[in-house]
Amino acid sequence: EAAVTQSPRNKVAVTGGKVTLSCNQTNNHNNMYWYRQDTGHGLRLIHYSYGAGSTEKGDIPDGYKASRPSQENFSLILELATPSQTSVYFCASGDDNSDYTFGSGTRLLVI
Amino acid sequence: DAKTTQPDSMESTEGETVHLPCSHATISGNEYIYWYRQVPLQGPEYVTHGLQQNTTNSMAFLAIASDRKSSTLILTHVSLRDAAVYHCILSRGYQNFYFGKGTSLTVIP
Repeated sequence: EAAVTQSPRNKVAVTGGKVTLSCNQTNNHNNMYWYRQDTGHGLRLIHYSYGAGSTEKGDIPDGYKASRPSQENFSLILELATPSQTSVYFCASGDDNSDYTFGSGTRLLVI
Repeated sequence: DAKTTQPDSMESTEGETVHLPCSHATISGNEYIYWYRQVPLQGPEYVTHGLQQNTTNSMAFLAIASDRKSSTLILTHVSLRDAAVYHCILSRGYQNFYFGKGTSLTVIP
């Protein structure tokens, strides 16, 4: 069954440390997305990608980098994690005008 | 930059039909209307989407106004499993979705 898998499910990181969140999709979709969701907000777009080798800035890219080494994998990188980046992160994949599939989320706590 | 407007919360009783409204007065001609739902501790789940015509699937019926400035997601015979936050989103395909806060649907036994 086609799916979007995120790892890790939960992560505790120290301030100033490097954090990498991984996402793998078996949908063969071209587009992949990283969102964060905080209490009182909807999902906010951080970075997205149209295909292997491409990354684009979303609405709130500051403090984050992204990497799309292959069709299946899309990573979100926090080079210097800060407590304000404590959140739930969702990865999604999709194609033009199709339904988008979301992962189950990664819960990140930066202390 | 909210493109859609939804009520913050709605309530229904098990077995009833519920109509979830969404206003999108500035929708562009090539924007699709998507509906997703989300329960706590899980990612959003696709419900349905449409461009101009009403659509139906096993999860819901989507009614789109003739001028496309509003839409209504209709859930029939709601159960406790339908309790979720429902997001109405506009998308131009390759461009990203904008998620607002959505409508929190409470289902009473």
